[in-house]
Amino acid sequence: DTAVSQTPKYLVTQMGNDKSIKCEQNLGHDTMYWYKQDSKKFLKIMFSYNNKELIINETVPNRFSPKSPDKAHLNLHINSLELGDSAVYFCASSRDMGLLSTDTQYFGPGTRLTVL
Amino acid sequence: GDSVTQMEGPVTLSEEAFLTINCTYTATGYPSLFWYVQYPGEGLQLLLKATKADDKGSNKGFEATYRKETTSFHLEKGSVQVSDSAVYFCALISNSGYSTLTFGKGTMLLVSP
Repeated sequence: DTAVSQTPKYLVTQMGNDKSIKCEQNLGHDTMYWYKQDSKKFLKIMFSYNNKELIINETVPNRFSPKSPDKAHLNLHINSLELGDSAVYFCASSRDMGLLSTDTQYFGPGTRLTVL
Repeated sequence: GDSVTQMEGPVTLSEEAFLTINCTYTATGYPSLFWYVQYPGEGLQLLLKATKADDKGSNKGFEATYRKETTSFHLEKGSVQVSDSAVYFCALISNSGYSTLTFGKGTMLLVSP
């Protein structure tokens, strides 16, 4: 009964490849997020979706494309992988992210991406 | 823009020692403040939060008080355990715009027996 799950947990791939990371939440939340954690543990928001609609798209290269087939899923597709994409990617969800919302965000276990 | 500053780690303590991890923030208005914890190999878990000035968040023996006058949200625990070894992140959600977390850089805590 995992709340926020991600697959795969580890992903090792070559430069130039295209890969996807999947995220699912069973909390009934409306909002989902992708965060990137670099090698120094610094966490930064990449995207957020509310009810399948893109709300926030930080300055992320357009090689990264999130897709939300339904409210419970938010996948991250990365084209033409580069060395600098190596990081841990965390999915999260919250009940709401409307203006002034302080709802708790629940995080998945992370996907460690290594680009060789 | 919003920012969160945490003390550099690692913080190394013996079991049963007193813990303080400093956190200060810069934000417009009145943000909500959070501490998240990341145990080795795991995702982030919410440890505690406070949504207005002078609120105290507490959980598992950890406490933090929202101090607007010093823009701080320091994390404390009276007696740490080996199992508290983890990375601790201070974060905020601004009260303007959409609710995304702005994180500090994290502080690693290592507790030895």
